Amino acid sequence: NAGVTQTPKFQVLKTGQSMTLQCAQDMNHEYMSWYRQDPGMGLRLIHYSVGAGITDQGEVPNGYNVSRSTTEDFPLRLLSAAPSQTSVYFCASSSPPGEQYFGPGTRLTVT
Amino acid sequence: RKEVEQDPGPFNVPEGATVAFNCTYSNSASQSFFWYRQDCRKEPKLLMSVYSSGNEDGRFTAQLNRASQYISLLIRDSKLSDSATYLCVVTVYGQNFVFGPGTRLSVLP
Repeated sequence: NAGVTQTPKFQVLKTGQSMTLQCAQDMNHEYMSWYRQDPGMGLRLIHYSVGAGITDQGEVPNGYNVSRSTTEDFPLRLLSAAPSQTSVYFCASSSPPGEQYFGPGTRLTVT
Repeated sequence: RKEVEQDPGPFNVPEGATVAFNCTYSNSASQSFFWYRQDCRKEPKLLMSVYSSGNEDGRFTAQLNRASQYISLLIRDSKLSDSATYLCVVTVYGQNFVFGPGTRLSVLP
């Protein structure tokens, strides 16, 4: 099993550009989530999904969209990138109430 | 008040020392509790779950105090490889994981 995979690993965007961060898991987990991690702030929940077709907002959803058309995939879309979105993004999946498994992260810089 | 609070450290301890971290949470409806470990620039990984009766895994002991709303992690006989950031995590309503900001540990030779 590959676990949770994320692409790309690194990305540089210009302000105003859009892009999609990809996340996939092969553990048949219903629950998937996106976090961003900034220095001194810990992990903050952006969006999450409790199953295919169901998504909801987390703590910091503004500027991001998600969709969950399959159990395996949970892409995160940045609509119009801003420098404040420079961060490390982690995707995670779990089968509640168990542990969360994280992908390796995407390091995004917006200039 | 933040939902989950931790002392950010850093805790600098010599090899072989015993070190303890505390974490407090504000939501009394919190249901599950975990300690995760995160190495520099890597993804977090589960260190151990925390059970009401307390639990031990080798050199690591975790305890939960629901009345005072805190959990603790004790590391005995610290190794250089224990150097990392330790994240306290609680779940609310069985679904959302709420992470503390982490406590940084450096074990020195």
